[in-house]
Amino acid sequence: AQKVTQAQTEISVVEKEDVTLDCVYETRDTTYYLFWYKQPPSGELVFLIRRNSFDEQNEISGRYSWNFQKSTSSFNFTITASQVVDSAVYFCALSSGSGNTGKLIFGQGTTLQVKP
Amino acid sequence: DTGVSQNPRHKITKRGQNVTFRCDPISEHNRLYWYRQTLGQGPEFLTYFQNEAQLEKSRLLSDRFSAERPKGSFSTLEIQRTEQGDSAMYLCASSPKLGAAEAFFGQGTRLTVV
Repeated sequence: AQKVTQAQTEISVVEKEDVTLDCVYETRDTTYYLFWYKQPPSGELVFLIRRNSFDEQNEISGRYSWNFQKSTSSFNFTITASQVVDSAVYFCALSSGSGNTGKLIFGQGTTLQVKP
Repeated sequence: DTGVSQNPRHKITKRGQNVTFRCDPISEHNRLYWYRQTLGQGPEFLTYFQNEAQLEKSRLLSDRFSAERPKGSFSTLEIQRTEQGDSAMYLCASSPKLGAAEAFFGQGTRLTVV
């Protein structure tokens, strides 16, 4: 079975703090893809990153960084020096299976509130 | 605007009525997906099209739900005999035909069944 777990329902930080959003996934497939999406109050899901199962290199994009560890089936997301505009719901998602259709299995989401 | 477009943005309907939503994907994208999102939850997959062919349907998609994508362009999602449990955000996404390329989402249609 495929599953994504985001154990943190809500996180509140003060601006400029660093924050890490956790994501744990389950799949029996050896080839799979992991994603992070941001959902601001407007409702549209905004793509942030995609990683495939063969690439465990961590990635940094500005204030965002991602730590992919197959040994612990985790794909955690860190925001450095958080800003009020980072306030949103963040979703981790998994795509796998034979003839991968791109169908996404989402976690429950983590609501991040960044206070000024 | 070259993003995914969904209409209407909001729909309020009485229980038992039929509703139809429309999704216009990014023009060069072959794949189109429908998801449903309830409050406080992540989106759940409903169905998937490759061009005009509907290739996968979730068990969430009861026989009251039907989706089409004529000519492989826009798609419609119809819910017949709506129930209060159908109240949710219905999200459409599209992606190019490239393995598990990232999907681009529309802003969704929020359905309220009263």
